[in-house]
Amino acid sequence: DVKVTQSSRYLVKRTGEKVFLECVQDMDHENMFWYRQDPGLGLRLIYFSYDVKMKEKGDIPEGYSVSREKKERFSLILESASTNQTSMYLCASSLSGGGQYFGPGTRLTVT
Amino acid sequence: ELKVEQNPLFLSMQEGKNYTIYCNYSTTSDRLYWYRQDPGKSLESLFVLLSNGAVKQEGRLMASLDTKARLSTLHITAAVHDLSATYFCAGDFGNEKLTFGTGTRLTIIP
Repeated sequence: DVKVTQSSRYLVKRTGEKVFLECVQDMDHENMFWYRQDPGLGLRLIYFSYDVKMKEKGDIPEGYSVSREKKERFSLILESASTNQTSMYLCASSLSGGGQYFGPGTRLTVT
Repeated sequence: ELKVEQNPLFLSMQEGKNYTIYCNYSTTSDRLYWYRQDPGKSLESLFVLLSNGAVKQEGRLMASLDTKARLSTLHITAAVHDLSATYFCAGDFGNEKLTFGTGTRLTIIP
């Protein structure tokens, strides 16, 4: 079975802090994705990556950056956390032409 | 603009009843997915629909795809409490990216 893990289930940070969210998949998938999920808005794509060191902006990249130094790991970075970034963050991975497999999510609260 | 619209957003139904969730999308999709999400949990893949007329069934859930109408449906037969969850449809409009609907929160009442 595909396993996608995320570094934290719950995280509380202060406004202005730099925040790292880590995602690791164990099935050698080329594609990795970061979404945020907010009530009434569904899932919105922040960034995605087709390969190591590649990144593409999704629908809402502002305030975020990503890093993919190894194929299995995709990191989401909040350079200076703000309260409007309080959300559930979901990581996913896929093979090209296949469905996306999601991690358990990180619920981030910025105070 | 890519849009995926689900309705209803909220659905409360009695056990034993049948109902359908609708998913409309705005442009040609390579693939259409249905996911389930339990409260506080992540998304679980239910179905992937690849072509016009595709129908997939798993237990009391059946998904279908009409690419000409740009419509997918998730039909629930004889609902049971365990099916209470939020259901999302998502379209792959190319480049492996998914565009999600806003979800349908389904509550099954005994």
